[in-house]
Amino acid sequence: GEQVEQLPSSLIVQEGASVLINCSYTDSASVYFPWYKQEPGKRLQFIIDIRSNMERKQNQRLTLLFDKKTKHLSLHITATQPGDSAIYFCSASTGAQGLTFGLGTRVSVFP
Amino acid sequence: EAAVTQSPRNKVAVTGGKVTLSCNQTNNHNNMYWYRQDTGHGLRLIHYSYGAGSTEKGDIPDGYKASRPSQENFSLILELATPSQTSVYFCASGPDRGRSQNTLYFGAGTRLSVL
Repeated sequence: GEQVEQLPSSLIVQEGASVLINCSYTDSASVYFPWYKQEPGKRLQFIIDIRSNMERKQNQRLTLLFDKKTKHLSLHITATQPGDSAIYFCSASTGAQGLTFGLGTRVSVFP
Repeated sequence: EAAVTQSPRNKVAVTGGKVTLSCNQTNNHNNMYWYRQDTGHGLRLIHYSYGAGSTEKGDIPDGYKASRPSQENFSLILELATPSQTSVYFCASGPDRGRSQNTLYFGAGTRLSVL
């Protein structure tokens, strides 16, 4: 089955800096990749997605890049704020069987 | 935004006891899912459902049963709870759009401790 890996597992940045989270997957049949954010004690919240027929998608301070050939994604967060502190999850859609998640990247933003 | 409600939010159970976790969604989504979240393992799929009356095994179904009596409700049942089932459980729902658009909407989670 699909496997999703994320790196790094955690990172700490100062407010205003940029963050880069890398994700790779194994199943070439996966075509949809949503990302989620989970603040401490809260539910997972959808933040951005990309389909395999796209290379780049931007939503305000979030930019998601996709390389189908290498099965690799990267999420770039610019101008970080303390409210960006959370665990970020990459996932791959396996159809009706739901999503396969990476282990998450814990981002800590300090003022 | 999809509304997915889980109950209870916190539960303490004894080893060998029966535990039922409930999930209700109000968006008429066909598909519903139960995940557990553990440090070092991320989110893992336990059971899922395509609609009322349907339940399917996910990646880690052992020790769990599921029930989907209606479009809105999906329950996770631990017949004989064990300490290894101590975890945070998340329910999610999603529209049946195949693998091309499968955004899931999550509940707030249930923290289960089995003593």
